[in-house]
Amino acid sequence: QKEVEQDPGPLSVPEGAIVSLNCTYSNSAFQYFMWYRQYSRKGPELLMYTYSSGNKEDGRFTAQVDKSSKYISLFIRDSQPSDSATYLCAMSDHTGFQKLVFGTGTRLLVSP
Amino acid sequence: GAGVSQSPSNKVTEKGKDVELRCDPISGHTALYWYRQRLGQGLEFLIYFQGNSAPDKSGLPSDRFSAERTGESVSTLTIQRTQQEDSAVYLCASSLAFGRGGTEAFFGQGTRLTVV
Repeated sequence: QKEVEQDPGPLSVPEGAIVSLNCTYSNSAFQYFMWYRQYSRKGPELLMYTYSSGNKEDGRFTAQVDKSSKYISLFIRDSQPSDSATYLCAMSDHTGFQKLVFGTGTRLLVSP
Repeated sequence: GAGVSQSPSNKVTEKGKDVELRCDPISGHTALYWYRQRLGQGLEFLIYFQGNSAPDKSGLPSDRFSAERTGESVSTLTIQRTQQEDSAVYLCASSLAFGRGGTEAFFGQGTRLTVV
C-alpha cells in the first residue's frame, strides 16, 4: 500500500464548476500537507500548504486537512481552462519541505 | 537566473552508459533536493543537500546513483551503468532554509531521461 493515495483521473469539468481533489494517506506522522500544480513538461509549483489540521483559503483555492480521517482535499471554485493541469498532493513529517511524499497526481481538464 | 535551471532538458542514453544531470539552484538557496518522477507515479525523493553536505541520501535507489554539490551552488546527479528502469523525469528543487518546517521548495523543469 502506498503511503499517499490519489486518484489519477482524468477529471473533466466545465468552466465555472467547483472541483474537488482528494488524497488519503496512511502515515500518522505527516504534519505538513501541500498541493502542487504541474503543467505539462514543467516542474511542480506550490499552490498551498497547511500545517496540521484545518482549512486554508487563497483566492479560488481552499485546502482542507482532516488528520483524524487521514484525508486532505483541495477545492477550486469557478474553475477556469487555465486550471487544466495535474494536481499533486504532497506530505511530510516534522521535516517540512525537506522530504516530501507525493501522490501520483490527478489530471484536471476544464473545458470552456 | 530567476529560477531553478536543469540541464540537459532531455537525455537519451544507451543502457549501460553513465549520465550526469545538472542542477543550478536559485541564488542564495542553501537547500537543494533531487526527486524522480516515473511515468504514472508520484515524485520520489532521492536526496537533499544543506550546503554541500547531504544529510539524507535515503532515497537513492542503488549504489549506481550518486550526487554531489559544490558549496551552495551547482549539484550533479550521476547515474552509472544506466538501466531501462532509470527512465524518468529527474527534478531538482531548492529552498532558502533548512531545518524544522523549512521554506517553500521551487522546482526546475526537470531532465527527461530515456534509457534505450
